[in-house]
Amino acid sequence: QQQVKQSPQSLIVQKGGISIINCAYENTAFDYFPWYQQFPGKGPALLIAIRPDVSEKKEGRFTISFNKSAKQFSLHIMDSQPGDSATYFCAASTNTGNQFYFGTGTSLTVIP
Amino acid sequence: ETGVTQSPTHLIKTRGQQVTLRCSSQSGHNTVSWYQQALGQGPQFIFQYYREEENGRGNFPPRFSGLQFPNYSSELNVNALELDDSALYLCASSLGEVGGYTFGSGTRLTVV
Repeated sequence: QQQVKQSPQSLIVQKGGISIINCAYENTAFDYFPWYQQFPGKGPALLIAIRPDVSEKKEGRFTISFNKSAKQFSLHIMDSQPGDSATYFCAASTNTGNQFYFGTGTSLTVIP
Repeated sequence: ETGVTQSPTHLIKTRGQQVTLRCSSQSGHNTVSWYQQALGQGPQFIFQYYREEENGRGNFPPRFSGLQFPNYSSELNVNALELDDSALYLCASSLGEVGGYTFGSGTRLTVV
């Protein structure tokens, strides 16, 4: 049973465009929601994270939008660049934090 | 040395054999988690070790076992390998707090 559902599976965006990846969860005990970026042959790297006490968090070109009532959160990549081409994973964790539940990943391709 | 180091990077084993994967945690990190990432999927939590004790386990059979050493390095052992064990195995270390995880680049295990 997938605790965190992620869509789309793949995404193609023109350089300069906005990339949007969505995730949904059911467990209301989750209180930490990170996004990871993974390049081929590498482990996931933390990109940005949010807790449910805020509805939005922005770091540079990356923004997380969080809707607690809908149990959904999304990653927005503004001014997408070819170097952003990677697989992106959303994840969720409870306060005890001893495991992350990952989504199935979104393969992003940014076309020059 | 900073970062999480995993060895070996690639490994081919025969069904029924046993394998040991190794992880050197980021300096100062006392918590290590292991994840299995099947091709095209998100990482799945195997277990976590905190100060040499198991601190949570995912839905993996007992033939997956681990160790954490006093220097906080860690091993993942898998007995009686099955074809479905073929995956990227990721190690992540942290100081124990949610959000501070650093992933290694993983060990690609192929079972034939």
